[in-house]
Amino acid sequence: AQSVTQLDSQVPVFEEAPVELRCNYSSSVSVYLFWYVQYPNQGLQLLLKYLSGSTLVKGINGFEAEFNKSQTSFHLRKPSVHISDTAEYFCAVSEYSGYSTLTFGKGTMLLVSP
Amino acid sequence: DSGVTQTPKHLITATGQRVTLRCSPRSGDLSVYWYQQSLDQGLQFLIQYYNGEERAKGNILERFSAQQFPDLHSELNLSSLELGDSALYFCASSDGLAGGLQETQYFGPGTRLLVL
Repeated sequence: AQSVTQLDSQVPVFEEAPVELRCNYSSSVSVYLFWYVQYPNQGLQLLLKYLSGSTLVKGINGFEAEFNKSQTSFHLRKPSVHISDTAEYFCAVSEYSGYSTLTFGKGTMLLVSP
Repeated sequence: DSGVTQTPKHLITATGQRVTLRCSPRSGDLSVYWYQQSLDQGLQFLIQYYNGEERAKGNILERFSAQQFPDLHSELNLSSLELGDSALYFCASSDGLAGGLQETQYFGPGTRLLVL
């Protein structure tokens, strides 16, 4: 069975600083990987996804993530954050076999302060 | 705006009661997914429907059931409600054309259920 671990429940950072949100997964088969963002009182929005090909994936709002198969990681990065990036970020995995059911991590709250 | 709508936005009810949550997928999407988000369990997949048929099942309790209608909207029925069922319930949809493996799921704003 697949699982996702988000190592940090909260990440405080100052505006314009870089940030990395960590995600590790476990699966016995090949996977697809996703990052979703949830702004306060809203549903989830897809930031980016890794399906195949280049291990560096660029998403919306200046975010990118790198798939590392040997370390089973898919960390999310942004070189310079804004106040508006304050939100909860979820890493998710979907296995190649079967249908695209997503398994989510517990989420990381990114808190950007001035 | 993802194009997925959910009603109602908020629901307050008592233990033992039954409620129905409704979801309308994005125009053209054939797949609908239901998720539960709670503080202790996080975000969990409940069930998926594709063009009216159940496709995948996750951690859905026997007290919960869902269906997808011919017009592709879906309903999640929660019965014999317990305090622990209080959560945010999300619906998501995808076009279903890639066989599920590569599809992006678009999430609705959720229904917040409070069981007293």
